[in-house]
Amino acid sequence: AQSVTQLDSHVSVSEGTPVLLRCNYSSSYSPSLFWYVQHPNKGLQLLLKYTSAATLVKGINGFEAEFKKSETSFHLTKPSAHMSDAAEYFCVVSDVERDDKIIFGKGTRLHILP
Amino acid sequence: DAGVTQSPTHLIKTRGQHVTLRCSPISGHKSVSWYQQVLGQGPQFIFQYYEKEERGRGNFPDRFSARQFPNYSSELNVNALLLGDSALYLCASSFLSRMNTEAFFGQGTRLTVV
Repeated sequence: AQSVTQLDSHVSVSEGTPVLLRCNYSSSYSPSLFWYVQHPNKGLQLLLKYTSAATLVKGINGFEAEFKKSETSFHLTKPSAHMSDAAEYFCVVSDVERDDKIIFGKGTRLHILP
Repeated sequence: DAGVTQSPTHLIKTRGQHVTLRCSPISGHKSVSWYQQVLGQGPQFIFQYYEKEERGRGNFPDRFSARQFPNYSSELNVNALLLGDSALYLCASSFLSRMNTEAFFGQGTRLTVV
């Protein structure tokens, strides 16, 4: 069975400092992994996805994530936080070979301090 | 171009009643998925439809049902509403049937059961 764990429910960083949102997954097969962002009163937007190509994935708005199979992790990073990055972030896993339903993590609320 | 549209945006129902939520996918998308997002949690997968056929079902009771129409729009029906059904219901559309492809989300329908 697949699962995803977001290790922090809330993360606070100062504007201009690096962002790290942690995600660990469990999957029996080759997973597809995604990060989605949800701004207040807006729909979910895809930030980036990993589907067995390059392990370092670059997404929109300066975000990137690295797939580490040995650590079963897919952490989201950004070198310099901006006030507009304040939102809820969801790590998502799906098993490619089984074409199974996708599983969302519980989310990490990112707070940006001025 | 219109994104995924959902109606209504907000809804208040009484326990025991029935509700129908509607979703129009992005033009050209043949797959529609439904998710339930309880406050403070990540979205949970309910159904996926592709070409009017059910392709996946999450762990939800039979009170939940859905269908997809020839124009690829979709309805989610919930019978015998419970207080615990109060949530944001999200619809997502994608071009392909595989659930690990990018999904585009609507802004959701906020259902409150009183």
